[in-house]
Amino acid sequence: SQTIHQWPATLVQPVGSPLSLECTVEGTSNPNLYWYRQAAGRGLQLLFYSVGIGQISSEVPQNLSASRPQDRQFILSSKKLLLSDSGFYLCAWSPPDRYEQYFGPGTRLTVT
Amino acid sequence: QQPVQSPQAVILREGEDAVINCSSSKALYSVHWYRQKHGEAPVFLMILLKGGEQKGHDKISASFNEKKQQSSLYLTASQLSYSGTYFCGTAERGNRDDKIIFGKGTRLHILP
Repeated sequence: SQTIHQWPATLVQPVGSPLSLECTVEGTSNPNLYWYRQAAGRGLQLLFYSVGIGQISSEVPQNLSASRPQDRQFILSSKKLLLSDSGFYLCAWSPPDRYEQYFGPGTRLTVT
Repeated sequence: QQPVQSPQAVILREGEDAVINCSSSKALYSVHWYRQKHGEAPVFLMILLKGGEQKGHDKISASFNEKKQQSSLYLTASQLSYSGTYFCGTAERGNRDDKIIFGKGTRLHILP
């Protein structure tokens, strides 16, 4: 069966510090991968998605970037965090030939 | 275009029924429903594809009216475990590059 992992689970970082969040999927090949952000009490905002290695589509221009160095690995990065980057970051995957998405456990980021 | 969910919030007693609506101003290929409990990641409930289908499992079902660009989620004889925020997501194209746009969510609270 398929499993999605995210780490770390929680993170507290000062403003201006770098960020790296990692997501890996097991038990599938060539998945679509997604990064979402959810502000407290709010909906899901799509940040990036990828249909293959090295292929990244950005939905929101900001100080975040994403990379997909391996088929089942998706990384979210920032060179300098802003206070507004705080939130619940969710990675999701979908099978290449289907449409439903499955979410990882998330990373709760607090920028201080 | 973000789909519109209604109501924004609902409080029910255990055993009562609930309907959550999702509407879009765009022609849709699919509608997705998720439930998120506080502090956790969203969990996939079901997907409805273009063609006007109806789906369900256990006491949770949904319909998709393609012509009206609307979907409804039905929770019958609600249980305490149904509490959470329900998100609908819509996709327009149905190809691999397509993405889900989520509504703002409907908070459902079930009282014993």
